[in-house]
Amino acid sequence: RKEVEQDPGPFNVPEGATVAFNCTYSNSASQSFFWYRQDCRKEPKLLMSVYSSGNEDGRFTAQLNRASQYISLLIRDSKLSDSATYLCVVTPGFQKLVFGTGTRLLVSP
Amino acid sequence: NAGVTQTPKFRVLKTGQSMTLLCAQDMNHEYMYWYRQDPGMGLRLIHYSVGEGTTAKGEVPDGYNVSRLKKQNFLLGLESAAPSQTSVYFCASSWGQLNNSPLHFGNGTRLTVT
Repeated sequence: RKEVEQDPGPFNVPEGATVAFNCTYSNSASQSFFWYRQDCRKEPKLLMSVYSSGNEDGRFTAQLNRASQYISLLIRDSKLSDSATYLCVVTPGFQKLVFGTGTRLLVSP
Repeated sequence: NAGVTQTPKFRVLKTGQSMTLLCAQDMNHEYMYWYRQDPGMGLRLIHYSVGEGTTAKGEVPDGYNVSRLKKQNFLLGLESAAPSQTSVYFCASSWGQLNNSPLHFGNGTRLTVT
């Protein structure tokens, strides 16, 4: 079983739609969780950290479910500029960061 | 403030050739990392450094060497390139440990080994 698993997609949604991605992780000792965004042929960039109580940043909401070992990212009112690959990132140990393979989102007019 | 700068952006090598990828950051970060990204796989850590003069192996260190002689620079060397090292390489830096500080990535180096 992979340490971090994501649905590769692509998720095709129209502008204005709400879309959600999940990411499962295998190591129950994982402490920190992040979502990174990667545009085509570009470097990954931090989108948001994921806190135990859930957190929101504008149109983006991240949640953590420790019991079921998954994190989620919800995007409301999708924009064309949201088209990208979203990487789930987990820290299962000291100085260890595990990246998922990413979920591709395509937002169409 | 350039952030993290990688050179070169593209390179084609023949099997057995050597090269060095350069990474520089101007954010005074202690921690620096080299990752590779391959289709269908998440980014994988090659080597990392927790400070000037230190280096440590990551998940996939074989075939690579690194040096951190100055705090702002982290070099990745391929002594004898192999086709399996065809990949996109990203350098990154962070101010603190991975569990509580974000990674700042460079633009990447696309390496092809024929």
